[in-house]
Amino acid sequence: AQSVTQPDIHITVSEGASLELRCNYSYGATPYLFWYVQSPGQGLQLLLKYFSGDTLVQGIKGFEAEFKRSQSSFNLRKPSVHWSDAAEYFCAVGGNTGTASKLTFGTGTRLQVTL
Amino acid sequence: GAGVSQSPSNKVTEKGKDVELRCDPISGHTALYWYRQSLGQGLEFLIYFQGNSAPDKSGLPSDRFSAERTGGSVSTLTIQRTQQEDSAVYLCASSLWAGGYNEQFFGPGTRLTVL
Repeated sequence: AQSVTQPDIHITVSEGASLELRCNYSYGATPYLFWYVQSPGQGLQLLLKYFSGDTLVQGIKGFEAEFKRSQSSFNLRKPSVHWSDAAEYFCAVGGNTGTASKLTFGTGTRLQVTL
Repeated sequence: GAGVSQSPSNKVTEKGKDVELRCDPISGHTALYWYRQSLGQGLEFLIYFQGNSAPDKSGLPSDRFSAERTGGSVSTLTIQRTQQEDSAVYLCASSLWAGGYNEQFFGPGTRLTVL
């Protein structure tokens, strides 16, 4: 069965500091990997996605993620965090077609940014 | 253009009552998904519709849960004889086609509270 693990429930960083959120996945076929962000009272917004090709993918708001097949990881990074990045971040895995496209989410990492 | 909309935004009900949650997907999107976000469980898949195909109901937690999609557009998630453990935020998402490469766009959710 597919699964996603986000080992950090809560992370606090200072504004301007770098950020890395961890994500490990288990999936039986070629994974489609996603990072979503959820701000308080808001819906889920897609930050970036990986399907194939270059293992370093760029997303919106200055985020990037690196796919490492050998480690079954898809960690999210940002070089310099802004106070507006405070939110909850979800890693998700899905498949290519049909019913496999349903997403399996991690439990989320809540990011707090201190000024 | 308009995004995914859900109604009501909040629903408070008494244990044992039936509730209906509505989702209006983005026009032209053929795939529609329901997820549930609850404390302690994270985000979990409930049901998936693709065009006129039979839905994937594998995520529905009990037979008290059902969903339909009329005319390939609007979807209604029905919970019969609600229980307190049904309290959660119910999220709807749609995508142009089912498949990992097609972004799922999420609605703002319906917060259900069962007293």
